[in-house]
Amino acid sequence: NAGVTQTPKFRILKIGQSMTLQCTQDMNHNYMYWYRQDPGMGLKLIYYSVGAGITDKGEVPNGYNVSRSTTEDFPLRLELAAPSQTSVYFCASGQGVLTYTQYFGPGTRLTVL
Amino acid sequence: GENVEQHPSTLSVQEGDSAVIKCTYSDSASNYFPWYKQELGKRPQLIIDIRSNVGEKKDQRIAVTLNKTAKHFSLHITETQPEDSAVYFCAATSGAGSYQLTFGKGTKLSVIP
Repeated sequence: NAGVTQTPKFRILKIGQSMTLQCTQDMNHNYMYWYRQDPGMGLKLIYYSVGAGITDKGEVPNGYNVSRSTTEDFPLRLELAAPSQTSVYFCASGQGVLTYTQYFGPGTRLTVL
Repeated sequence: GENVEQHPSTLSVQEGDSAVIKCTYSDSASNYFPWYKQELGKRPQLIIDIRSNVGEKKDQRIAVTLNKTAKHFSLHITETQPEDSAVYFCAATSGAGSYQLTFGKGTKLSVIP
């Protein structure tokens, strides 16, 4: 199993550009999450999903959108990128129900200039 | 919502000494408390967790204790080694039955050989 994979690993965007961060998991987990990690800060939840077709906002959803059309994929969309979105983005998945454990992807380092 | 405070933000210990990191949480309904280790440039990885019906859990050199009354939990690392150097994050579920996690801001542990 590859676990949770993310692409790209690095990206530089110009202000106002848009992009999609990809996240895929092969563990058949129902729960998936997007976090951002700023220097010296913990992980803040952007959006999460409890299953295909179901998404909900986390603590810091402004400027982002998500979709969950399949169990495996949970892309994060940035519209009109701003310098404040410069961060490391982690996707995670979890089985839920019997366990709360979340497994993280390798992260995407995004810089907005 | 849940609020998780973590202390200290940085910790330096001599190799072989013990390290203790403490966290407090605000939501009395929280029922799961994981600890993640994040090495530089890597993804967070679960090292130990504890549920609210347990007061202490050990795994070799790592232990976690939970005081539900005081709403705090701690990570204890004994016989520290240089490879224990990393940033450690505590987290708590955001309410009973929730599969969301709220993270502390992290503790940078340095083990000096």
